[in-house]
Amino acid sequence: EPEVTQTPSHQVTQMGQEVILRCVPISNHLYFYWYRQILGQKVEFLVSFYNNEISEKSEIFDDQFSVERPDGSNFTLKIRSTKLEDSAMYFCASSVTAKRTDTQYFGPGTRLTVL
Amino acid sequence: KNQVEQSPQSLIILEGKNCTLQCNYTVSPFSNLRWYKQDTGRGPVSLTIMTFSENTKSNGRYTATLDADTKQSSLHITASQLSDSASYICVVSISSGTYKYIFGTGTRLKVLA
Repeated sequence: EPEVTQTPSHQVTQMGQEVILRCVPISNHLYFYWYRQILGQKVEFLVSFYNNEISEKSEIFDDQFSVERPDGSNFTLKIRSTKLEDSAMYFCASSVTAKRTDTQYFGPGTRLTVL
Repeated sequence: KNQVEQSPQSLIILEGKNCTLQCNYTVSPFSNLRWYKQDTGRGPVSLTIMTFSENTKSNGRYTATLDADTKQSSLHITASQLSDSASYICVVSISSGTYKYIFGTGTRLKVLA
């Protein structure tokens, strides 16, 4: 069964450094999402992306964050200057459509640790 | 304020027993409600999705109910198995120009042999 994959599984970085988290969505999916989950807290929506544009974003997704689909398969989340509070699990998800009832398929996540 | 509250926070049951998890929400305007299962260290996996007009939806041993009037949902797990041990997350979507997903904090279920 097709899966969303994410790399790396764990990223450790120094505060102030830039990080890029990578995701390969399911191949026939057109809508992509990033979520984060701070340890012990609930999952939070960051951004959705379609047709090379951001569809929606939450208050968390500020100028520090950017997303890109650099080629036909990868979908990336960039954090420009990481802060300690960016330490979290970051999940990528994809869906075939953006219909309200469409299933989103999540990747296994990237654990980001900012020191 | 748009919120999703889940109860209990954690639950321990014996293998083979049934259990029911609760989700109350104060979200408007309501679009749909989803239940996810999240194994430790993994991404959430969708179990059910219900719109305003749906009262019940099943997926194998999982049955979700929705009462849009009282803004409550439940997830019933029948004949639990050890592999059901996970966090179960309720997510309510709102649609008000911007489409937002409000996640609950989850119920951590442990099934013991």
